[in-house]
Amino acid sequence: DGGITQSPKYLFRKEGQNVTLSCEQNLNHDAMYWYRQDPGQGLRLIYYSQIVNDFQKGDIAEGYSVSREKKESFPLTVTSAQKNPTAFYLCASMARDLITEAFFGQGTRLTVV
Amino acid sequence: QKEVEQDPGPLSVPEGAIVSLNCTYSNSAFQYFMWYRQYSRKGPELLMYTYSSGNKEDGRFTAQVDKSSKYISLFIRDSQPSDSATYLCAMDSGGSNYKLTFGKGTLLTVNP
Repeated sequence: DGGITQSPKYLFRKEGQNVTLSCEQNLNHDAMYWYRQDPGQGLRLIYYSQIVNDFQKGDIAEGYSVSREKKESFPLTVTSAQKNPTAFYLCASMARDLITEAFFGQGTRLTVV
Repeated sequence: QKEVEQDPGPLSVPEGAIVSLNCTYSNSAFQYFMWYRQYSRKGPELLMYTYSSGNKEDGRFTAQVDKSSKYISLFIRDSQPSDSATYLCAMDSGGSNYKLTFGKGTLLTVNP
């Protein structure tokens, strides 16, 4: 089945720790995105990548880092510099010739304990 | 002013009602307009998209775009409890940017 897979579904982080959220897609899409969703805030763009080995900051990139070493993978690291990391994180991918449809993963719920 | 404004609700309607969900936008460069549906604790999924002003119908759903007023709507006819979800509008200006701008989403509950 083609799709986009995020793991883990739930993640707990202690104060001061870095954690990495996984996002893998087998849709052969060039563009991949990370969004953060908080209640009442909608989707806010963290980072996005349109091709391998290249990525751009979104609206709320501070405290996050990404890499894009393979077309299929776009992991997000939430660093200790992110002061309020508890949120629902969504990864998406999009074919560059089909800009109308972004495919989303099922999300990772990150909680700081 | 935010690029995309969407009333977060919540909106509660009885089963069978007609639902109207709306977004306004300020960026006249937006050319593509989408509606995503998101069930609780799940990722959003594309429901409908439109390119031009006017109406587009798909079963019980109708998407409407008025570019002159910078206003888009999603109508749901004969609403069902299974329509209970958050509905997010999204827009894109096309070109090489490939970056969607989302509204905050409207939480809809359809009561049986």
